[in-house]
Amino acid sequence: GENVEQHPSTLSVQEGDSAVIKCTYSDSASNYFPWYKQELGKGPQLIIDIRSNVGEKKDQRIAVTLNKTAKHFSLHITETQPEDSAVYFCAASKGGSYIPTFGRGTSLIVHP
Amino acid sequence: KAGVTQTPRYLIKTRGQQVTLSCSPISGHRSVSWYQQTPGQGLQFLFEYFSETQRNKGNFPGRFSGRQFSNSRSEMNVSTLELGDSALYLCASSPPISGSAGTDTQYFGPGTRLTVL
Repeated sequence: GENVEQHPSTLSVQEGDSAVIKCTYSDSASNYFPWYKQELGKGPQLIIDIRSNVGEKKDQRIAVTLNKTAKHFSLHITETQPEDSAVYFCAASKGGSYIPTFGRGTSLIVHP
Repeated sequence: KAGVTQTPRYLIKTRGQQVTLSCSPISGHRSVSWYQQTPGQGLQFLFEYFSETQRNKGNFPGRFSGRQFSNSRSEMNVSTLELGDSALYLCASSPPISGSAGTDTQYFGPGTRLTVL
């Protein structure tokens, strides 16, 4: 089955810095890669996603890049703010009726 | 549109008891998935229901079961609770992909925090 590795497990940055979280996947048939943000006491919320026919996608301060050859994708957050502090999960899916496989999560701490 | 709702939000049970958790998906969503989230194991997939049928199943013992009703609402049940069942149980619903019955993007509820004493 699919295996998703996520790094780092913890990331500490100063406000205004950039943060990068990386994920690798094993199943070359995976074609959908969502990212979720989970704040304390809440469920994961989708923040951005990318499909395999696209190499990069941006939404304001958040961007995701995908390298299908190397089977890895990354989340980039620029100009980090304290409210960006949360646990971030990546996932990989073959779409259709397949269930996504999640990474173990990255705890992002943004110091004011 | 209202998001995914889960009830109850918090639950305390003792070992050996059984528990039922409820999930109401986003209107129009027919796929409902359940996950167990613990600090050590991350997000573990339990099962997925689509049109009242279990379509996918994770690697959990038979004590964990679920069902889906005709209005797409879903329940999951855990019998003979163990201390290790303490976790956040998350429900996620997915919209149908145009022209197919795909699960694709998942939208999560706030979860039910289960504590087993």
